[in-house]
Amino acid sequence: DAGVTQSPTHLIKTRGQQVTLRCSPKSGHDTVSWYQQALGQGPQFIFQYYEEEERQRGNFPDRFSGHQFPNYSSELNVNALLLGDSALYLCASSGQTNEKLFFGSGTQLSVL
Amino acid sequence: GESVGLHLPTLSVQEGDNSIINCAYSNSASDYFIWYKQESGKGPQFIIDIRSNMDKRQGQRVTVLLNKTVKHLSLQIAATQPGDSAVYFCAENMDSNYQLIWGAGTKLIIKP
Repeated sequence: DAGVTQSPTHLIKTRGQQVTLRCSPKSGHDTVSWYQQALGQGPQFIFQYYEEEERQRGNFPDRFSGHQFPNYSSELNVNALLLGDSALYLCASSGQTNEKLFFGSGTQLSVL
Repeated sequence: GESVGLHLPTLSVQEGDNSIINCAYSNSASDYFIWYKQESGKGPQFIIDIRSNMDKRQGQRVTVLLNKTVKHLSLQIAATQPGDSAVYFCAENMDSNYQLIWGAGTKLIIKP
């Protein structure tokens, strides 16, 4: 049973570019959450998707957008990249409740 | 619940001893709490959770204690092993909210 898978594992972009990160949830999970984790800090909630809709959003600008597909997989898009967007981006999946989130290994994004 | 900067609190424990990691949570309305372990280069891994109607829960080699009066959570690891070396995060959640709020993290170092 595959856990949460994310791609790519590493990515290097320059300021102003756009990026798309991908996530496949754990089998049997229908809810996907995205978190941003800066070095040495705890993850910060970006948003959560359920039934192909954004159910809740954290304190992130509109440059951060997402999508969930009918097979429950999800994408995170970031436009007009800033240096401060450099971080580890984590995808987590769960059932309908927020209990026992399972995380992927993340995508390390570096913005130069 | 805000994370601190790059200088994570560190706990050094002798191999075989018990470890106790503490966390102060921020919201008295939180009713679900989770401990995660994060190894270098990996996503957070679920360890144990507890709901607010309990004050203690045990897993394999781990125990979580919840003191709602002082908004304090602790994780006890019995017979600490080298594989327990990681950063440990507590996280809190309310049923009405879909995001996890993460604590600052504690780096656990095992001395041989």
